[in-house]
Amino acid sequence: AAGVIQSPRHLIKEKRETATLKCYPIPRHDTVYWYQQGPGQDPQFLISFYEKMQSDKGSIPDRFSAQQFSDYHSELNMSSLELGDSALYFCASSRQGDSEQYFGPGTRLTVT
Amino acid sequence: AQTVTQSQPEMSVQEAETVTLSCTYDTSESDYYLFWYKQPPSRQMILVIRQEAYKQQNATENRFSVNFQKAAKSFSLKISDSQLGDAAMYFCAYAYGGSQGNLIFGKGTKLSVKP
Repeated sequence: AAGVIQSPRHLIKEKRETATLKCYPIPRHDTVYWYQQGPGQDPQFLISFYEKMQSDKGSIPDRFSAQQFSDYHSELNMSSLELGDSALYFCASSRQGDSEQYFGPGTRLTVT
Repeated sequence: AQTVTQSQPEMSVQEAETVTLSCTYDTSESDYYLFWYKQPPSRQMILVIRQEAYKQQNATENRFSVNFQKAAKSFSLKISDSQLGDAAMYFCAYAYGGSQGNLIFGKGTKLSVKP
């Protein structure tokens, strides 16, 4: 069965640079969630989209923005990167009315 | 605000034996879902089991079962016949039952399985 696809899988950036993470949800899933997991921590919700509209917002820094496109893929844009942004970024998708979220493999971002 | 608490940072179990991971949560909502996710060293988040708050019957998935005590706001995971592949970090998570509810995770319990 098709799973959530995230790209790139690994990304190394320097401080103050920008990064774009991409997420391709499972086919026919209309909701996308972004989570950030720091080293040794639990995942923290950043933002979610339903039918291309932002549906909920968590602890997402103002330096970050995201959107969902007409084909339901989503991109997380991160600017003015800081060392503390180094983390594993997960995308998850679900279908309207279904509580189960299916996670992608994550993008490991390292900021040096 | 909703919170999820896992009071056991680490647990250990002998292969083929049974282990129970604890989780408590706090919410004022009546409609919500609870989950256990497994995160092996690969860091992939794998859904283990799901429980709807409106269901009294405890969810079961093969060797995994939960003990859902709604009044006590407790949601423990029992792993029977533990296998080496069960070794992982286990996260308890809560989601509000409304549409597109995001997950709130506990701090996790690291489970080791001894051969």
